[in-house]
Amino acid sequence: AQTVTQSQPEMSVQEAETVTLSCTYDTSESDYYLFWYKQPPSRQMILVIRQEAYKQQNATENRFSVNFQKAAKSFSLKISDSQLGDAAMYFCAYRSGGGSEKLVFGKGTKLTVNP
Amino acid sequence: ETGVTQSPTHLIKTRGQQVTLRCSSQSGHNTVSWYQQALGQGPQFIFQYYREEENGRGNFPPRFSGLQFPNYSSELNVNALELDDSALYLCASSYGTNGGDEQFFGPGTRLTVL
Repeated sequence: AQTVTQSQPEMSVQEAETVTLSCTYDTSESDYYLFWYKQPPSRQMILVIRQEAYKQQNATENRFSVNFQKAAKSFSLKISDSQLGDAAMYFCAYRSGGGSEKLVFGKGTKLTVNP
Repeated sequence: ETGVTQSPTHLIKTRGQQVTLRCSSQSGHNTVSWYQQALGQGPQFIFQYYREEENGRGNFPPRFSGLQFPNYSSELNVNALELDDSALYLCASSYGTNGGDEQFFGPGTRLTVL
């Protein structure tokens, strides 16, 4: 069974600075996808960024980028120029390729952005 | 385009009761997944429905059941409620079941079991 581990229960960053959230996963599969989701206090889960395992290039979405290290099974999220609106719970998630049905989530990291 | 909606927003039940939670999928989506998120935890997969058929189930007992309707909306039913069923229940819709298909989440239903 696949597992996702987020070792940082809480992180804080100053506004405009950069922060990196860590995630490791365990799988024996070769075809899979990795995701970072954001869950603000309003509760609605929003996709931040997605990485296909077969792609060597790290995904980037505006101020959000990932460092995908397939051999190390590591998938960290970097947030540049942090904004107050980035404050939320961040979940790392894994999903098998093909006709997979489920997302496997980590326990989350609570990010605080200080003005 | 209407996003994923869930009802009710909050619900309070007592042990042993039954509850039905509802989810309307995003327009054009034929797949609905349900997750349970206990306080301070990540969401846990309950089951998924694809075109009205169950398409996978997580490690939840049979008292958790579901339905998907022809319009692809879905219900989650929980019988014989237990205190540990208190959680945020999230549904997510997608077009298809491929691993890369983005799942769009609803705002959730907060269930409290007393």
